[in-house]
Amino acid sequence: QVQLVESGGGVVQPGRSLGLSCVGSGFTFSAYPIHWVRQAPGKGLEWVAVISYDGSSQDYAHSAKGRFTISRDDSKNTVFLQMNSLAAEDTAVYYCVREITVTVTSRFDPWGQGTLVSVSS
Amino acid sequence: SSELTQDPTVSVALGQTVSITCQGDSLRKYYASWYQQKPGQAPVVVVYGKNNRPSGTPDRFSGSSSGNTASLIITGAQAEDEADYYCNSRDSSGHHWAFGGGTKLTVL
Repeated sequence: QVQLVESGGGVVQPGRSLGLSCVGSGFTFSAYPIHWVRQAPGKGLEWVAVISYDGSSQDYAHSAKGRFTISRDDSKNTVFLQMNSLAAEDTAVYYCVREITVTVTSRFDPWGQGTLVSVSS
Repeated sequence: SSELTQDPTVSVALGQTVSITCQGDSLRKYYASWYQQKPGQAPVVVVYGKNNRPSGTPDRFSGSSSGNTASLIITGAQAEDEADYYCNSRDSSGHHWAFGGGTKLTVL
């Protein structure tokens, strides 16, 4: 079945770095943009970053720009999120999601199960 | 701050109809998609575009859009519909994306 599986979360000290991975299966991975979305404890969803289907373009939320880097390796059906200079406010469950867009109609489907990043000293 | 605005809480009596709204300028150009999230679970898309449902979404869920407002409508709400609901769309720039702040639906 179509699925995304995240990994790489954990506890990290403020100011340090952490890398997340997202592996897709059950679909033609290289045909779709992939996003990262996060959710702080008890809070709502926040869009973080997107990489185009061919990896040629990336966009970031203001909160991530300059600190986070999204990349992909389609030979491994994997998207990465490298997070640097982490702060307490980056503590969240990080989800990767597939974007399906037809003209002006888009949806995020499926969602991974999420991986928890906790920034704490 | 979110460019898409939702009411934080909405309640509905069992079996009645409820509308959850999402407002934002980008909705004049892009359709919204709607996500249901139950405690401890990842979000799941329930409605997207003009009024599309993925397979598996009950037909009591529907969507509509007018001007800068998108709506998720549940006709005959069931107890299992109690959840948080989020709208999503590209932002006005078209390059970024935004989620609404979420609406907690209570089924009485």
